[in-house]
Amino acid sequence: EAQVTQNPRYLITVTGKKLTVTCSQNMNHEYMSWYRQDPGLGLRQIYYSMNVEVTDKGDVPEGYKVSRKEKRNFPLILESPSPNQTSLYFCASSFWDRQETQYFGPGTRLLVL
Amino acid sequence: SQQGEEDPQALSIQEGENATMNCSYKTSINNLQWYRQNSGRGLVHLILIRSNEREKHSGRLRVTLDTSKKSSSLLITASRAADTASYFCATDPGGGSEKLVFGKGTKLTVNP
Repeated sequence: EAQVTQNPRYLITVTGKKLTVTCSQNMNHEYMSWYRQDPGLGLRQIYYSMNVEVTDKGDVPEGYKVSRKEKRNFPLILESPSPNQTSLYFCASSFWDRQETQYFGPGTRLLVL
Repeated sequence: SQQGEEDPQALSIQEGENATMNCSYKTSINNLQWYRQNSGRGLVHLILIRSNEREKHSGRLRVTLDTSKKSSSLLITASRAADTASYFCATDPGGGSEKLVFGKGTKLTVNP
């Protein structure tokens, strides 16, 4: 089944404790992206990747890192999480052709205390 | 920065009625897409309309695009309680941009 998976789905952590949210897709998509969704602000793009070893900043990259060592995986790293990073995070992927249809993961709900 | 802006922010209708949501954007686009999100879950792609298209249908969905007004509308006909969700438009600005820009969404409630 074609899908985007994220882990964990729910996470409660404390300020400053490094964490990684994994994202994996099985559709051989070149393009992968991370979004955060906050009430009243819609979805905002954090980082995206056009292909292996090619990543770029989205609209709200501060406090986040990503890597793309393999085509199927695109982990999101929070080196020192802060409470303002409490949010709902989505990973998405698509073929390179202008990201026409993005497939979204189920979301990761993060609470930073 | 947000490009797509949906209107209204919230819409409540009775089952069987039609629901219309609008999206406005600021710059030229390659295409415009509509997505649906059930509460707290991932977004699901509904329909894509290209900049050279004016109208598109998919089942009970009808999307229009007016590039001169930089606006799009999503019509759901004969709504069902299961259509209750948030609906987002997303624009592909083109011109070298590699981003898909989402609006803030319209929360639709269909009452049985």
